[in-house]
Amino acid sequence: KQEVTQIPAALSVPEGENLVLNCSFTDSAIYNLQWFRQDPGKGLTSLLLIQSSQREQTSGRLNASLDKSSGRSTLYIAASQPGDSATYLCAVRPQGGSEKLVFGKGTKLTVNP
Amino acid sequence: NAGVMQNPRHLVRRRGQEARLRCSPMKGHSHVYWYRQLPEEGLKFMVYLQKENIIDESGMPKERFSAEFPKEGPSILRIQQVVRGDSAAYFCASSGASNTEAFFGQGTRLTVV
Repeated sequence: KQEVTQIPAALSVPEGENLVLNCSFTDSAIYNLQWFRQDPGKGLTSLLLIQSSQREQTSGRLNASLDKSSGRSTLYIAASQPGDSATYLCAVRPQGGSEKLVFGKGTKLTVNP
Repeated sequence: NAGVMQNPRHLVRRRGQEARLRCSPMKGHSHVYWYRQLPEEGLKFMVYLQKENIIDESGMPKERFSAEFPKEGPSILRIQQVVRGDSAAYFCASSGASNTEAFFGQGTRLTVV
């Protein structure tokens, strides 16, 4: 059974700092991995999608890496801003005929001005 | 493209009533997924549907919950005889094809009183 773990559960940093969020998954048989952002009381915004054959994806100040064999992904946020404060969710799509996403519980990020 | 639309955004039901949650996928998307987010928990997969077909309902509770995605109109998640434990945020996602990026709606926050 695929399980996704995100560490740390919460992170507080001063504005301008570079930071890394971690995601690990127990089964390397995945189609892809997706990072989302969730603001309080809101829906999920897709940030980056990495296919299983890819090593990383970049969008603006965000960079996500994937090491499928070790079951790990990181989300790097450069020059953090208060507007980056949100909960960041990692989700994998397992192989094996299922279309579902398996989510971690998220990392709650606070960027202090 | 209006994105994934869910309504209502907030729904209050008394114990024993029925709750109907609606989801209109993004234009051109034929794959719909429902997820539930309990307080302090990660998102959990409930059901995956394509037009007029339930593909995977492995995450659906065996009783009181049902889902449909008719040929015309939105997908509906129906909860009969709601109980307090059904209080959660229910998210719908859609994608255009198998194993492609999933886009989420804003969610419906169900409160059972």
